[in-house]
Amino acid sequence: EAGVVQSPRYKIIEKKQPVAFWCNPISGHNTLYWYLQNLGQGPELLIRYENEEAVDDSQLPKDRFSAERLKGVDSTLKIQPAELGDSAVYLCASSLDGQGAYEQYFGPGTRLTVT
Amino acid sequence: AQKITQTQPGMFVQEKEAVTLDCTYDTSDQSYGLFWYKQPSSGEMIFLIYQGSYDEQNATEGRYSLNFQKARKSANLVISASQLGDSAMYFCAMSLVGSSASKIIFGSGTRLSIRP
Repeated sequence: EAGVVQSPRYKIIEKKQPVAFWCNPISGHNTLYWYLQNLGQGPELLIRYENEEAVDDSQLPKDRFSAERLKGVDSTLKIQPAELGDSAVYLCASSLDGQGAYEQYFGPGTRLTVT
Repeated sequence: AQKITQTQPGMFVQEKEAVTLDCTYDTSDQSYGLFWYKQPSSGEMIFLIYQGSYDEQNATEGRYSLNFQKARKSANLVISASQLGDSAMYFCAMSLVGSSASKIIFGSGTRLSIRP
């Protein structure tokens, strides 16, 4: 069974440029998560989807970040414009549901460097 | 509000010894889940073990066990017979169970280094 797929693995951009990350969850997983992980810290939830509905986006900086999961399968996270402080690893995860009783499976992450 | 605390930024352990990684949590909810994840230098988060708040027995998965003490709100991870490949960051996490608005939060992690 394929795991969570993310692309690209690495991205280097200049500040003020846009960037997008893509995630394909494990087949059959209804819940999809995007996390931000700064160096030496634990992941912080940005947004959680139940199928195509964003049920928790309270931590998403909506002035520059956006996300979509149009068909309830794969998802895209976008930053426009990027700032130096956005340099981090962006992790995507999926689980059977979002009720908290199932483990999340993580992708390898996208390491973003903003110069 | 939910909170996860991992007080050990780093630990060194001799190979083949057992090691305990501390985790305390705070929540006013009665139904919640506790998780441990391993993150090697490659960066991928690997699920290790899960404990539900109503589970009466401590969870075990191979060399991993979770020492769940509900009254003390602690969920320590115990790794028996440590191996060199256990060197990694370890994160404790908590979610509320049964709530569509559940929050999932992670601790700050413990870096475990196994000495040969």
